[in-house]
Amino acid sequence: SAVISQKPSRDICQRGTSLTIQCQVDSQVTMMFWYRQQPGQSLTLIATANQGSEATYESGFVIDKFPISRPNLTFSTLTVSNMSPEDSSIYLCSVGQSEAFFGQGTRLTVV
Amino acid sequence: QKEVEQNSGPLSVPEGAIASLNCTYSDRVSQSFFWYRQYSGKSPELIMSIYSNGDKEDGRFTAQLNKASQYVSLLIRDSQPSDSATYLCAVNRRSGNTGKLIFGQGTTLQVKP
Repeated sequence: SAVISQKPSRDICQRGTSLTIQCQVDSQVTMMFWYRQQPGQSLTLIATANQGSEATYESGFVIDKFPISRPNLTFSTLTVSNMSPEDSSIYLCSVGQSEAFFGQGTRLTVV
Repeated sequence: QKEVEQNSGPLSVPEGAIASLNCTYSDRVSQSFFWYRQYSGKSPELIMSIYSNGDKEDGRFTAQLNKASQYVSLLIRDSQPSDSATYLCAVNRRSGNTGKLIFGQGTTLQVKP
C-alpha cells in the first residue's frame, strides 16, 4: 500500500482562523479522499479530490468551508476555514482503489 | 436507519477467546466490505476485506459475508490484549472502485489478560 504523510499531525487554533492540512503520497494516485472523525465518532467522508478538476463534496460539506486543492497526482490539501470549536476533529486523507489506506491524521483543536 | 450499523460495545473477552464483531448494512447494492482496526489516537488500519459471500481467513482473523442478510462479521481467534481497539466496519456501495467508504460507528473490543 502507498505511504501517506499528513502535516501537521496536530494543531490548536483560534476560532475564526483557517488551517491547511497537507497530504503527500509516495506514488501517483487518481483520487484522494478526505475524511473527518469527530470526537468519539466514526469517519465521515468530506470530499473526493481529483487531479485537474474540482473536488466532489459529500452532503453536508461545502467548498467554502472545506476548500481542497489537488495540484498533482501525489499531493492534496484540505483547508478548514473560519473555524469554530465544532470543527475540532481528526482529519484524515486516504487513497485506494476499493479499500482506503489512511494517513496518520491531523488532530485539530479549535479554542 | 444508519447505512452501516455496529454495536458500539464495549465487547469484553478474556485472552485466548474468540471475539465476534458484527455489522449490518442497509444498501443492497453494496459491493465491498472492510474491517479496520483503530487504536486510540491512531488512524484506522485495514485488516480485512471481503467481496463475496462466505468466509475469508487471514491468520487469526476471519471475515464472514452474507449479502442476502446484509451482514458482515469479523472473528478474532486467540484474542490477545494487543487486539484491544475499536473495530470499524466499512462498506463501498459502488460497483466501481472508488475508495469512497461508509463507516459504521465502530465496536470497542477489550481483551482482558
